[in-house]
Amino acid sequence: GEDVEQSLFLSVREGDSSVINCTYTDSSSTYLYWYKQEPGAGLQLLTYIFSNMDMKQDQRLTVLLNKKDKHLSLRIADTQTGDSAIYFCAESGGSYIPTFGRGTSLIVHP
Amino acid sequence: DAGVIQSPRHEVTEMGQEVTLRCKPISGHDYLFWYRQTMMRGLELLIYFNNNVPIDDSGMPEDRFSAKMPNASFSTLKIQPSEPRDSAVYFCASGTGVNEKLFFGSGTQLSVL
Repeated sequence: GEDVEQSLFLSVREGDSSVINCTYTDSSSTYLYWYKQEPGAGLQLLTYIFSNMDMKQDQRLTVLLNKKDKHLSLRIADTQTGDSAIYFCAESGGSYIPTFGRGTSLIVHP
Repeated sequence: DAGVIQSPRHEVTEMGQEVTLRCKPISGHDYLFWYRQTMMRGLELLIYFNNNVPIDDSGMPEDRFSAKMPNASFSTLKIQPSEPRDSAVYFCASGTGVNEKLFFGSGTQLSVL
């Protein structure tokens, strides 16, 4: 199986909260990341969390880490149409090089 | 800094032709990565360099693929000969070290007919 798994699609209504989930297998992960890819562009780092933390908040973004279950989530509050993009979860573990998930396409509709 | 710069943005070529993709990393970044993105496989790491030296090329799919980094400000990814299955978006990314965030270029959309 893949090292980092995410669901492929998420559809939400504008103004609602979005929660994108990710699971990973490497128990030695040191950093976990969320990247955003807008159409026709490269990936851009949104936020990251160190493995000894369980939560990080940055404006509308909240990252939750459950290290026991190897589960990472990204919550976007008050989701806007500009948040429509592909969101990639990534972890850097024993190899220290980030391993990316397949990405979750977030679709925000009015 | 202008960020990671890739060229060309789009490349359309015929099967059998040589393709060269170019990347200029952010100044001061000593790690450079080449990724390939497809619908089927997602984002794949092809190769990465540290201080211009290739460290891990285990992701390079075949001998048709080669990558070089002659200096700290330039890298190329070459496919010779190209095949239709090489059609993908190729990204270059740079960073200051492992466990650090990566900065991605806008990618090269390659279509091999």
